[in-house]
Amino acid sequence: DGGITQSPKYLFRKEGQNVTLSCEQNLNHDAMYWYRQDPGQGLRLIYYSQIVNDFQKGDIAEGYSVSREKKESFPLTVTSAQKNPTAFYLCASTPSGGPGELFFGEGSRLTVL
Amino acid sequence: AQSVTQLGSHVSVSEGALVLLRCNYSSSVPPYLFWYVQYPNQGLQLLLKYTSAATLVKGINGFEAEFKKSETSFHLTKPSAHMSDAAEYFCAVINQAGTALIFGKGTTLSVSS
Repeated sequence: DGGITQSPKYLFRKEGQNVTLSCEQNLNHDAMYWYRQDPGQGLRLIYYSQIVNDFQKGDIAEGYSVSREKKESFPLTVTSAQKNPTAFYLCASTPSGGPGELFFGEGSRLTVL
Repeated sequence: AQSVTQLGSHVSVSEGALVLLRCNYSSSVPPYLFWYVQYPNQGLQLLLKYTSAATLVKGINGFEAEFKKSETSFHLTKPSAHMSDAAEYFCAVINQAGTALIFGKGTTLSVSS
């Protein structure tokens, strides 16, 4: 079945450690997105990529990094520079150009201890 | 700049009652508007979208929304609530560049028997 797979679903890390969240899609979509969700804050855009080897910062990119070496993969690294990384992270994709419907993964919950 | 405001972070209804979730938008260009639903610890699923065609948009699970330009609103309704409708609902608008979605802070819908 086509879809978006995020892993791991739950992740714990110590302060000062970098962590990478995986996002893979087999929908043949061009554009991919990372959003962060906090209670009562809605979803906030971290990074997005419309084509391979290109990506743009969203509203809250500080402390995060991404890469887009393959069309189907868009990993997100949460670096030690991110001051408050505990959150629910959602990856999404859309076929091409500007977003019509976004297709979401199941999310990854990161807890910093 | 594009934005959406969801009025009411929490709405409670009885089973069988009307569901009304409010969303107002701000947009400097003709807006593309969306409603998504999220169940606990899951990704988001599209309920419906407005893309400048009919102002009354019908979606999945019996939901619909009406685009009112004069009121800059896109409220979500369902005539009769079901227990399975209990979830968090997000309104979203395409950003000015047409490259990503901007989400509201969400409204949690509770349904009691």
